[in-house]
Amino acid sequence: DAGVIQSPRHEVTEMGQEVTLRCKPISGHDYLFWYRQTMMRGLELLIYFNNNVPIDDSGMPEDRFSAKMPNASFSTLKIQPSEPRDSAVYFCASSFSPLGVGTEAFFGQGTRLTVV
Amino acid sequence: LAKTTQPISMDSYEGQEVNITCSHNNIATNDYITWYQQFPSQGPRFIIQGYKTKVTNEVASLFIPADRKSSTLSLPRVSLSDTAVYYCLVGDFEGGSGNTGKLIFGQGTTLQVKP
Repeated sequence: DAGVIQSPRHEVTEMGQEVTLRCKPISGHDYLFWYRQTMMRGLELLIYFNNNVPIDDSGMPEDRFSAKMPNASFSTLKIQPSEPRDSAVYFCASSFSPLGVGTEAFFGQGTRLTVV
Repeated sequence: LAKTTQPISMDSYEGQEVNITCSHNNIATNDYITWYQQFPSQGPRFIIQGYKTKVTNEVASLFIPADRKSSTLSLPRVSLSDTAVYYCLVGDFEGGSGNTGKLIFGQGTTLQVKP
């Protein structure tokens, strides 16, 4: 398997524009996680899905952020409208089962978002 | 989830053994200790996980004392390529009413290996 695939790798957009980040989890993984990483706040969990259903979105910063998982092989994180403070690296991760003993999360390469 | 405390940064030289200690005074009975590694411009990756005593794999060893209030990640004979951020996570990953299935990362320890 190619691992967790995120696109694009880099995104530069203007303030106010809509941004869509994409993620393809590892085949067979039932859990999908979206994280955001900044120097100031480190790695923050935004939302996670189990079998395409959002389980916990308490980390989503505000209504400008939304995430969907229409099927087991695809998820999107959308920011509308984008703001400069949304600039960060966004990671997607997937796991086979609940993060228990012997289970690990596999992370993608991330999308570096810059909002100017 | 139990709060963890790790040094912000550490320096080492190639060939040395590096030990990174993580404090988790409020660790619960069902909690496991997991370490992740993050190289620059990459996502974190799983290194090792344990509950008590010692765990060893091809990458590292994890030492956990009997009281489990701390743990030490040991990297034998580091090389320049071991320069990364190392995260200690503690949580009830397996089950129970408190299990949320989430991975919550702290600040991590930035390890710089010098030639």
